[in-house]
Amino acid sequence: GDSVTQMEGPVTLSEEAFLTINCTYTATGYPSLFWYVQYPGEGLQLLLKATKADDKGSNKGFEATYRKETTSFHLEKGSVQVSDSAVYFCALSESAGKSTFGDGTTLTVKP
Amino acid sequence: DTGVSQDPRHKITKRGQNVTFRCDPISEHNRLYWYRQTLGQGPEFLTYFQNEAQLEKSRLLSDRFSAERPKGSFSTLEIQRTEQGDSAMYLCASSLVMSTDTQYFGPGTRLTVL
Repeated sequence: GDSVTQMEGPVTLSEEAFLTINCTYTATGYPSLFWYVQYPGEGLQLLLKATKADDKGSNKGFEATYRKETTSFHLEKGSVQVSDSAVYFCALSESAGKSTFGDGTTLTVKP
Repeated sequence: DTGVSQDPRHKITKRGQNVTFRCDPISEHNRLYWYRQTLGQGPEFLTYFQNEAQLEKSRLLSDRFSAERPKGSFSTLEIQRTEQGDSAMYLCASSLVMSTDTQYFGPGTRLTVL
C-alpha cells in the first residue's frame, strides 16, 4: 500500500538557518504530494502541493519539488523564522482524495 | 466561508461508554473525510463520504465505529463501547469533488477514554 516516510525529528535551528525536511513515498500510481503544517494549538493547514512529476510547490518561502525518479518531496526554506516553529507533515493522495501521511517532523526555531 | 468545524473539541469518557462527534464541512464541499491521529503520528484515514454515500472505509474502522452523513452536509462519527485504545484526535476534512486532492481540515476532537 501507499506509505510516506519523513525525516525523524525533532529539528532545532537558529533563526535564518536553512531548512530541509526529507520526505520519500511509496505509491502504486501517480499521486499528488503535499506538505501540511500544524502550529501549536491549531489544526492541519495545507502548506503546499504538487500534482505531477517535476512540479514545484511553494508558499510562504517554503518549496518542495516532486521527484518521481527518487520518489521524494523534500521541504526546503532558505531562512527560517521563529514563527515557522510547528509540526510538518508530508502526505500523498492517490485515489479519491484519501491522503496518507507521514509521522510528522517537529521544527523548533530559536532566536 | 467559516471553514470546517468540529464539535466537541474535547471529550473525556469512561471505558464502555458511547460517544458521538460531529463535523460540519465547508459549505458546498461534497466530500467529507474522517481521520484519526495519535500522539507522535500522522493522521490515519478512517472513512470518507461523497454527498451522503459512504464510499470507503479503512480496516481501522472496527464494528464499534459508525459514521453517517444523512443529508450530505454534516457528518457524525460514533464510537460504541469505547476502549482506552480509542483515545486519539479525530480529524474531519472536506473537499470538492473537482479538487479532491485539496482537503481542508477541522480543528479536531480530542477523545480521552479513562
